[in-house]
Amino acid sequence: DIQMTQSPPSLSASLGDKVTITCQASQNINKYIAWYQQKPGKAPRLLIRYTSTLESGTPSRFSGSGSGRDYSFSISNVESEDIASYYCLQYDNLWTFGGGTKLELK
Amino acid sequence: QVQLKETGPDLVQLTQTLSITCTVSGFSLTTYNVHWVRQPPGKGLEWMGAMWNGGGTDYNSAFKSRLSISRDTSKSQVFLKMNSLQTDDTAKYFCARQLGGAFAYWGQGTLVTVSS
Repeated sequence: DIQMTQSPPSLSASLGDKVTITCQASQNINKYIAWYQQKPGKAPRLLIRYTSTLESGTPSRFSGSGSGRDYSFSISNVESEDIASYYCLQYDNLWTFGGGTKLELK
Repeated sequence: QVQLKETGPDLVQLTQTLSITCTVSGFSLTTYNVHWVRQPPGKGLEWMGAMWNGGGTDYNSAFKSRLSISRDTSKSQVFLKMNSLQTDDTAKYFCARQLGGAFAYWGQGTLVTVSS
C-alpha cells in the first residue's frame, strides 16, 4: 500500500502570507495527487487534481506542483476563507490520504 | 445535479455490524465509481473502498475481511456493510463519486458512534 506523509500537521499564517504544504509518497505516484480543503462539519472540497490542475471554482491563489514521490500545495495571499484543514490524496494505486494540515490564523 | 446522501444508524453496539446506504442522483452507478471514506472525530480522512461502475469492488487492506460494498443500480444505491465494530470505528462516513481518479462529489456524511 502507498503511504502519504503530509507536513506540517498544523500551520499558522497571517492574512496575505504564502503557505506551503508537502506530501511525500512512499513510491512514485506519477503525479496522481489531489488536494482537498475541509472546513469543520463539512465534506472535503476538491481543489486540485493531477498535481496542478485547478478544479472549476478554485481560486488562482491555490497551486500545486511536484513529481515522483514529492508534491507540494501552496496558497499565496492567504485569505480568511482559507482557514481550514487540507489533505492530499494519491490515486495512482488505489487511494491514500495524507494525514492532513490544519491552517490557522496567526 | 450530482448528489449523494448517506443514511445509516447514529449508534451501533460494540461488535455489531454497521450498514450505511448511499443514495445518488444526477448520474448513473453504471457510469461512475463510488467510494466510501471515513473520518473519526477530530482526525483525518481514510479511504475505505470502492464500487466500480462495472460492479467490481476494491477495499483498503486495513479493513481486511470486515468490509463489504455492494449496490442496487435500479435504486441508485451503494451499500457499506462492516462487521465486528470497535469503538475506533466511530466516525463520519462519507460516500463520494470519482471523477478523473479523485473524489469530486461528496455526500454530507453520516456520523456513526460505536457504543459499548
